[in-house]
Amino acid sequence: GENVEQHPSTLSVQEGDSAVIKCTYSDSASNYFPWYKQELGKRPQLIIDIRSNVGEKKDQRIAVTLNKTAKHFSLHITETQPEDSAVYFCAATLSSGGYQKVTFGTGTKLQVIP
Amino acid sequence: NAGVTQTPKFQVLKTGQSMTLQCAQDMNHNSMYWYRQDPGMGLRLIYYSASEGTTDKGEVPNGYNVSRLNKREFSLRLESAAPSQTSVYFCASSEGGRTGELFFGEGSRLTVL
Repeated sequence: GENVEQHPSTLSVQEGDSAVIKCTYSDSASNYFPWYKQELGKRPQLIIDIRSNVGEKKDQRIAVTLNKTAKHFSLHITETQPEDSAVYFCAATLSSGGYQKVTFGTGTKLQVIP
Repeated sequence: NAGVTQTPKFQVLKTGQSMTLQCAQDMNHNSMYWYRQDPGMGLRLIYYSASEGTTDKGEVPNGYNVSRLNKREFSLRLESAAPSQTSVYFCASSEGGRTGELFFGEGSRLTVL
């Protein structure tokens, strides 16, 4: 089955600096890669996603890159703010017969220090 | 439009007791899922239902059963709770097809003593 590894497990940055979280996946058939943000005590929510036919996607301060050959994808947050502090999960998704088999990474706890 | 609603939010059980976690979505989604979240282990899939009338095992199904009651509702049952099932449980739904976004409920914190 799919295996997703995520690094680092914790990350502390100064406000205004950039943060990068990296993930690798094992199944080359995975074709959709979402990122979820989970604030303390809340539910995970999608913040950005990328499909396998795209190399990079950007949404304001957040960007995601995908290298299909190397089977890795990354989340980049620029100009970090205290409200970016949360746990971030990457995921690799295999779509088959109308069902999405989603495998999550183990999460990165990001702390933005004011 | 409430999205995904799950109950209860908190529950304390004794070893061997049974309980059912309820989940309902009002987005007309085809697929529904149950995940458990444990520190350092991310979100692990327990069971899923690709469409009404079907259910299948995920990564960690032992000790659990599910029922897809109708298109809206997907319940998770612990027949004989064990301390290892202490966790936060999330229900989620998705449209199916190429759209992959998961919509999560607020979570249910279960403690088994």
